[in-house]
Formats: sequence, C-alpha cells, structure tokens
Amino acid sequence: NAGVTQTPKFQVLKTGQSMTLQCAQDMNHEYMSWYRQDPGMGLRLIHYSVGAGITDQGEVPNGYNVSRSTTEDFPLRLLSAAPSQTSVYFCASSYSAGTVTYEQYFGPGTRLTVT
Amino acid sequence: AQSVTQLDSQVPVFEEAPVELRCNYSSSVSVYLFWYVQYPNQGLQLLLKYLSGSTLVKGINGFEAEFNKSQTSFHLRKPSVHISDTAEYFCAVIRFGNEKLTFGTGTRLTIIP
Repeated sequence: NAGVTQTPKFQVLKTGQSMTLQCAQDMNHEYMSWYRQDPGMGLRLIHYSVGAGITDQGEVPNGYNVSRSTTEDFPLRLLSAAPSQTSVYFCASSYSAGTVTYEQYFGPGTRLTVT
Repeated sequence: AQSVTQLDSQVPVFEEAPVELRCNYSSSVSVYLFWYVQYPNQGLQLLLKYLSGSTLVKGINGFEAEFNKSQTSFHLRKPSVHISDTAEYFCAVIRFGNEKLTFGTGTRLTIIP
C-alpha cells in the first residue's frame, strides 16, 4: 500500500492565483481531512469528509474548497491564493466505525509559498 | 469543544537521560488521546493512542504515556532518549462521537550528545 499520497511536494504561487492540492489514499478509509501547519500553532483542521459526497468545515476553512467524489481522493482547492496561506499542508485519512474515528494516517505534506 | 495544551514548546535533554513531554486536555465528555511524532521534513506518524482500558499505553520506539482522567493529562515519557528521538511531538484529542482531531501546538525535543 502507498498509504496517503500528496502532490505536489512544493509549490510557489503568486497572490490571486488558484491551484489544487491533490490527496489520495489506498486504504479504503471513509474519513479524510486537510490540515495546515504553521510554526507555533500546531496543525489546524481546514476541511474534512466522512465519506464520498460528504464534506464539512474545520477550524480554518476560509479561502479553501473541497469535494469528495470518490473514497480515494480528497483534493483541496485554493480559490485565490493569499500570502497568509503560505504553510505546509497535510492530508490525512482514517478508518471510522459509526461515530468512532481511529488514528489518522498522514501524507508527506505540500509546502506552499504564496508571494 | 475540546482543546489540548502542550506546556513546553521546546525540551532539550541529554542523550540517555529520561524525558517527559506534558499534555493536558479539556473536554466536557470522554475523549480518545494520541501522540504523534514528526521528524524533520516529514509527515506525522502515530506514536501511541489511548482509546480505552489500561491507562498506561506503550507505543513505538520505547515511548509510553499515562492517561490521567482526574488531572486531564496524557504525558509522554521515555526512560532513555537517543539522538534519533530528535523531532517534534504533538498531542491530539478526539471527543467521543466527534470526527475532528484537535492538536496541541507541539513540543520540539532536542537531544544533546
């Protein structure tokens, strides 16, 4: 199993540009999520999904969109990049049973710089 | 809502000395607790988890943690650290019946040779 994969590894954008960060998992996990990691702030939840067709907002959703058309993929879209979105982005997935979500498996991250 | 506090942002420790990384949580309902490790320029890897049962949990790489419900703590310990333990450590919590994982701000562990 490849686990959770993310592309690209690095990206530089200009202010106002849009892009999509890709995330895929091959573990048949229902739950997938996106976090951003900033120095001194830990990881903050952007959006999450409990299954195909179902998404919800996390702690810091503004400026980001998600959709989940398949179990495997959960792309994150930046609509109009801003310097405040410079960060490292992590995708994660986990198995869940009913309302219980177990440990999350993380991808290697995408380092995004917005100039 | 739940929250997690990691009291130390940086912890320097001499090689082969013991270490304790502190984590306190706040929640009005029962929780599941996790410790993750992040090596430089990598993603997060699960060290250990508490879901139920014994309050002393053993994880990978010789780490263990103890769940203390009365003190709402989940401190991480290792009796003897190695250079390879240099990393950032994150405590995280999920409330029962909730899908959202909440992270602490992390503790950077530096091992001094």
